[in-house]
Formats: sequence, structure tokens, C-alpha cells
Amino acid sequence: EAGVVQSPRYKIIEKKQPVAFWCNPISGHNTLYWYLQNLGQGPELLIRYENEEAVDDSQLPKDRFSAERLKGVDSTLKIQPAELGDSAVYLCASSPGTDGGELFFGEGSRLTVL
Amino acid sequence: GEDVEQSLFLSVREGDSSVINCTYTDSSSTYLYWYKQEPGAGLQLLTYIFSNMDMKQDQRLTVLLNKKDKHLSLRIADTQTGDSAIYFCAGASGNTPLVFGKGTRLSVIA
Repeated sequence: EAGVVQSPRYKIIEKKQPVAFWCNPISGHNTLYWYLQNLGQGPELLIRYENEEAVDDSQLPKDRFSAERLKGVDSTLKIQPAELGDSAVYLCASSPGTDGGELFFGEGSRLTVL
Repeated sequence: GEDVEQSLFLSVREGDSSVINCTYTDSSSTYLYWYKQEPGAGLQLLTYIFSNMDMKQDQRLTVLLNKKDKHLSLRIADTQTGDSAIYFCAGASGNTPLVFGKGTRLSVIA
């Protein structure tokens, strides 16, 4: 069974440029998460989807971040415009249920903003 | 909401036992989890414990839960160099999303 797939693995951009990350969850997993992981920190939730509905986006900086999960499968996280402080690893995870515990993570997309 | 604290570093010799500690604040946390992150990789679920349990053993891993003190520990027996990684404690209650600690970096010295 394929795991959670994320792309790109690495992205280097200049500040004020846009960037997008893509995630394909494990087949059949209805719940999808985007987490932000800064260096030396634990993951922090940005947004959680149940199917195509965003059920928790309270930590998503909506002035520059947006996300979508059309058709309730793949998801895209976008930043526009990127700032220096956005340099981090963006982790996607999925789970079969909604109780939030057993998450399956992708390898992450590491963003460097110059 | 939940807040999870962990010590940041632990260094042990190969073959010794490792004990990684965690404290949490939300007494209503139903499940408590340990995740492992190797360099350049995502997090991987190691084990979990329900809040109505005191201990759970899974091969080399032993999880101890002290609900009164809101303290969780992960013991790795016969620690190997392949166990070198960052270990995250996380808690969840009902339908709330997981809250992770900052992680404990375990270094195993051969």
C-alpha cells in the first residue's frame, strides 16, 4: 500500500514569490492534515479536512495561505506571497478516521525562502 | 487546549535502556501517542496508550502513563543505533487534532 505522497520534497524561492505543495493521502483515508514544522519544533496543525470540508483551519494564516481538497482526495497548500519566516517543513498526513490519533505522515516538503 | 512538554535531548550508549519523558496538561486526553521522526522523513507512529491504561508493552517499547501527574514515558530496551531519531509525544481528546511536543532528540552512542 502506498503511503502519503508529497511533492516537491524541496523548494527554494525568493520572498514574495508564490509556492504550492501537493499531497496525495493514503487511499480511503477521509481525513487529511497539513502541519507546519519549524526547525527544532514539533508539528503544528495548519488545517484539517474531513473529505472535502475544512473542519479546522483556525491556525491557517489566511492572508497568505490557502488550501483546497477538491473531490476529497488530493490536497494543495499554497502560500502567496512567501515570507522569510515561512521557511519550514510542510507535512501532510492522513488518517482513516476522525479521532485524530493514528496519523500517517508524508516525508514533507522543505521550503526555503531567500 | 492541550500543551505537551518534553526534554529536548537524550544520549545513551548502545545496549542501554532509554527513557523519554513527557508531560501534558489536558486531563481529558483520551489517547497519548509516541511518534518517531528520522532525519529527512515524516513522523511514524510508534505506539499509543489509552488514558484508562497505566502501562503498555510492545516488544522493546514500554509506555508508562501516570494520569495523576499527567506524565507519560517511553522506555526503549536494548537501544540500538537505529533508534537514533527525534521522538514526539502527542495527545488527543475526542475529535480534537493531535497536539505534539517539541520532540526529544535521542542519540545512541556505539
